[in-house]
Amino acid sequence: GAGVSQSPSNKVTEKGKDVELRCDPISGHTALYWYRQSLGQGLEFLIYFQGNSAPDKSGLPSDRFSAERTGGSVSTLTIQRTQQEDSAVYLCASSLGVPSAGNTIYFGEGSWLTVV
Amino acid sequence: GNSVTQMEGPVTLSEEAFLTINCTYTATGYPSLFWYVQYPGEGLQLLLKATKADDKGSNKGFEATYRKETTSFHLEKGSVQVSDSAVYFCALSDGGSNYKLTFGKGTLLTVNP
Repeated sequence: GAGVSQSPSNKVTEKGKDVELRCDPISGHTALYWYRQSLGQGLEFLIYFQGNSAPDKSGLPSDRFSAERTGGSVSTLTIQRTQQEDSAVYLCASSLGVPSAGNTIYFGEGSWLTVV
Repeated sequence: GNSVTQMEGPVTLSEEAFLTINCTYTATGYPSLFWYVQYPGEGLQLLLKATKADDKGSNKGFEATYRKETTSFHLEKGSVQVSDSAVYFCALSDGGSNYKLTFGKGTLLTVNP
């Protein structure tokens, strides 16, 4: 697996349930990102990890959203008590270094979440 | 704050037509600029990038030049193919918040044979 891997690729859940979305970044990439892509909102930054630390959680929409990263590798985005407005594609990405230095950010194919 | 404005779509062209997708930005500092492409059913892929003024990014026949004086990074291709049909996103990474990409809303391109 050379690319960023995300699971599940599709998830339908009932309003009020919790969901976990998983991201497996490219091996050796210390930077990991979560973005959300939804109709009308475009691509929104959610959170950034450098190693296991998250210096910027400012994009998380509410306290129902949380994310962690363990072992400098796999990350999990958790949404508690899902609401219909949480329906979107959740994109994970990783990179060797920050994009402002010209490093390429590689995106996974996303997890499509539908809350019914 | 930072923002990226790209032309509204959808854009529909015939094969071998010339393509321009306009992108302008607002940012503090000296951003790096990117074009990403999302083919149907696939994830976002970096198409090209430029990290300083007057740099030209190019890939797969696409080009974009970083114009600081007009704060623009327009995407061009001289002769599009059906396989170029996709959604194109302009993005910037601001030196002040060097890990965050700010994206435009995307432009859907459809190329007909």
